[in-house]
Amino acid sequence: QKEVEQNSGPLSVPEGAIASLNCTYSDRGSQSFFWYRQYSGKSPELIMSIYSNGDKEDGRFTAQLNKASQYVSLLIRDSQPSDSATYLCAVIPTGGGNKLTFGTGTQLKVEL
Amino acid sequence: DAGITQSPRHKVTETGTPVTLRCHQTENHRYMYWYRQDPGHGLRLIHYSYGVKDTDKGEVSDGYSVSRSKTEDFLLTLESATSSQTSVYFCAISPARDSSYNEQFFGPGTRLTVL
Repeated sequence: QKEVEQNSGPLSVPEGAIASLNCTYSDRGSQSFFWYRQYSGKSPELIMSIYSNGDKEDGRFTAQLNKASQYVSLLIRDSQPSDSATYLCAVIPTGGGNKLTFGTGTQLKVEL
Repeated sequence: DAGITQSPRHKVTETGTPVTLRCHQTENHRYMYWYRQDPGHGLRLIHYSYGVKDTDKGEVSDGYSVSRSKTEDFLLTLESATSSQTSVYFCAISPARDSSYNEQFFGPGTRLTVL
């Protein structure tokens, strides 16, 4: 079982819709969770971090964490073509210190 | 890119040759990391550093070595490059004020091809 799992996609949504990206993790003791956006041929860019259960909002982005169910999600409201990218979920597992474990990413396509 | 540069940005080399990649930061962050990214595998940690001369292995460290003689520079060396080391290599940095809040910021990457 992979430590951090994401559906590879592609996830296609129409412009203006809400895109929902999901990530599950295997280590119940994980404490810190991150979402990165990566455009094709570019480096990962941190867009959200979340550390406690519940929702965290930043502009059009909302991260949701449910530690009991071991999932973290990213909602993108009013999706734009410029949101088309691969979204990487990353977790610090128990005893991981300062090391992140990444999922393989979900490709998002926002269609006109 | 959060004050991180990587050099070279692209490199083609032959099997068996040594290769050194450089990561340079201007943020004075304590932690530095080297990852490789391959289709189907995502980002995998090669080595990391938690201070000058302090380094440790990551998930895929075989065939790689690192050095950090200054806060701002972290070098990744492929002792004898193999075709399986063809990949995109990313450096990342983190202030890591608290190990629970380890936000990492990535450099632009180096595309390495080993023929």
